[in-house]
Amino acid sequence: QKEVEQDPGPLSVPEGAIVSLNCTYSNSAFQYFMWYRQYSRKGPELLMYTYSSGNKEDGRFTAQVDKSSKYISLFIRDSQPSDSATYLCAMSLNQAGTALIFGKGTTLSVSS
Amino acid sequence: EPEVTQTPSHQVTQMGQEVILRCVPISNHLYFYWYRQILGQKVEFLVSFYNNEISEKSEIFDDQFSVERPDGSNFTLKIRSTKLEDSAMYFCASGTAGIQYFGAGTRLSVL
Repeated sequence: QKEVEQDPGPLSVPEGAIVSLNCTYSNSAFQYFMWYRQYSRKGPELLMYTYSSGNKEDGRFTAQVDKSSKYISLFIRDSQPSDSATYLCAMSLNQAGTALIFGKGTTLSVSS
Repeated sequence: EPEVTQTPSHQVTQMGQEVILRCVPISNHLYFYWYRQILGQKVEFLVSFYNNEISEKSEIFDDQFSVERPDGSNFTLKIRSTKLEDSAMYFCASGTAGIQYFGAGTRLSVL
């Protein structure tokens, strides 16, 4: 079953807050885990990717993968109004040329 | 920074007409993809393409759809006879390994 679940929100936070975004999945064969940011009527922009389990940090963003729980997270520190967008999790099997399976996306609004 | 380029940004067509959506993938990428996103819904996989062949396709990608890499830089999606339900954003992606980079999309409106 290729299924990815993501709470659509909306999620509203004040500027400077720590944001936690999450996805669960059912297919234990997924190996690549990605987070994309999508602005209204634009293409998904790759933010972070993680291969297999573990954490990855890039500036204010941290991605975590817990394969035992089939759970992935994206943390945004010191959130800014420019972070307001829809955040999509996506995952794929361990081979190129295969489908990315997306969550529905969480809409985030950061107010100044 | 290299990016995936899609044209046109918006395509309006009449039901039953053929449309071709065009993409220029990132130049050193070997894997190419098409996805679609109906308004308010998930991004859905259509097809992947490698070495001039389809690698994988979804149940959405029926006989009305075809893909082609007509030259060394372009990658196209053709819809032979458009239906109202084909109205969506269509995204091209290219990549290496399991990582995919997306274009800005073509908004297809079928009237």
